[in-house]
Amino acid sequence: DTAVSQTPKYLVTQMGNDKSIKCEQNLGHDTMYWYKQDSKKFLKIMFSYNNKELIINETVPNRFSPKSPDKAHLNLHINSLELGDSAVYFCASSQSGFPYEQYFGPGTRLTVT
Amino acid sequence: QKEVEQDPGPLSVPEGAIVSLNCTYSNSAFQYFMWYRQYSRKGPELLMYTYSSGNKEDGRFTAQVDKSSKYISLFIRDSQPSDSATYLCAMSEKSNTGKLIFGQGTTLQVKP
Repeated sequence: DTAVSQTPKYLVTQMGNDKSIKCEQNLGHDTMYWYKQDSKKFLKIMFSYNNKELIINETVPNRFSPKSPDKAHLNLHINSLELGDSAVYFCASSQSGFPYEQYFGPGTRLTVT
Repeated sequence: QKEVEQDPGPLSVPEGAIVSLNCTYSNSAFQYFMWYRQYSRKGPELLMYTYSSGNKEDGRFTAQVDKSSKYISLFIRDSQPSDSATYLCAMSEKSNTGKLIFGQGTTLQVKP
């Protein structure tokens, strides 16, 4: 069973489109994260939710909007996609009290043309 | 200057070699120090974590933290081709937010 899953795995779209990435974890964790990994492999945190409450909101364009319907799911919606949004987006989860022990999903490779 | 600096490599070693991977940092508030391993086209996976200074050993892997020098290391003994991956150091302050600051990652290739 996959612990942290993301859909889709690959996403190719044109500039200006709106797209969503979904994430689900079956580890029973209460905290979930979105990270962006650029072409140079820099992994940077974007958002974090704890029990559906936004905890971390880094300096990210407001075209990016996370949504957590429940503590097992965290989705990322991106409006008006730009070329610079091309990257790999990772979802992760952890349990309160162990924030350093994060479990990552397989990533969604987003290409904006 | 980035908060966490890591030489991206690539680093190529023969099988059986001892590998040393390092990161430096500037934020003295960092208390948790992690090493993640990322295989090509996969998500990072936690290898080891250390709280504050000191050493930690897990099988062939040893993590060291020197807070006075703001320097952390990961040693891999008897390296194997299966160790070929990108190794990312990560750090966080003592809070429960889970905000990890990652280094760029060092790509390691272990040749048979």
